[in-house]
Amino acid sequence: SAVISQKPSRDICQRGTSLTIQCQVDSQVTMMFWYRQQPGQSLTLIATANQGSEATYESGFVIDKFPISRPNLTFSTLTVSNMSPEDSSIYLCSGLTGNLYEAFFGQGTRLTVV
Amino acid sequence: LAKTTQPISMDSYEGQEVNITCSHNNIATNDYITWYQQFPSQGPRFIIQGYKTKVTNEVASLFIPADRKSSTLSLPRVSLSDTAVYYCLVGSSGGSYIPTFGRGTSLIVHP
Repeated sequence: SAVISQKPSRDICQRGTSLTIQCQVDSQVTMMFWYRQQPGQSLTLIATANQGSEATYESGFVIDKFPISRPNLTFSTLTVSNMSPEDSSIYLCSGLTGNLYEAFFGQGTRLTVV
Repeated sequence: LAKTTQPISMDSYEGQEVNITCSHNNIATNDYITWYQQFPSQGPRFIIQGYKTKVTNEVASLFIPADRKSSTLSLPRVSLSDTAVYYCLVGSSGGSYIPTFGRGTSLIVHP
């Protein structure tokens, strides 16, 4: 199993600014992902965080808006850049470990852009 | 990627058995079926996974018919704390497995 910690748990930000969300895993994971979840909605995959290389983004998400880093097997960051109120959402970090189909999730970061 | 279809919502009462069915008509040969549970203000939590027939753990059972075009998550004797959203995922680890979530089923357990 794995425990995933996200920081911050919530934040209120001014439009036009950027926020970096940190994700720390207590053990090595094979893959890490970032999701966005609007209230009452399902999870939408933003990107797969690749260790030491550029993240793989899903359709509708671009690196300039959501730069992602993964310097090692247990840590990743997601930056939400030049924020607008439409970016208000919950952002979730996830990782896969030994069981290829069992993903672990952080508690999420609740972002409000005003 | 196999698309999944689940009921949007279900209601039950404490002590009852709840069965949530997921349709995945386009499931591929190498795909596994996985179910997650999500409580409000928390990330999803893995419940169970299976490939065919029946799988049971301490939380739930998963029934998969021979054609694998659907699966049923069974929660025995639910309690109020089982109120959550339940997601059915289908995917293969061939290459890399990326958990992709559909709409999920919102289960409300009443006293």
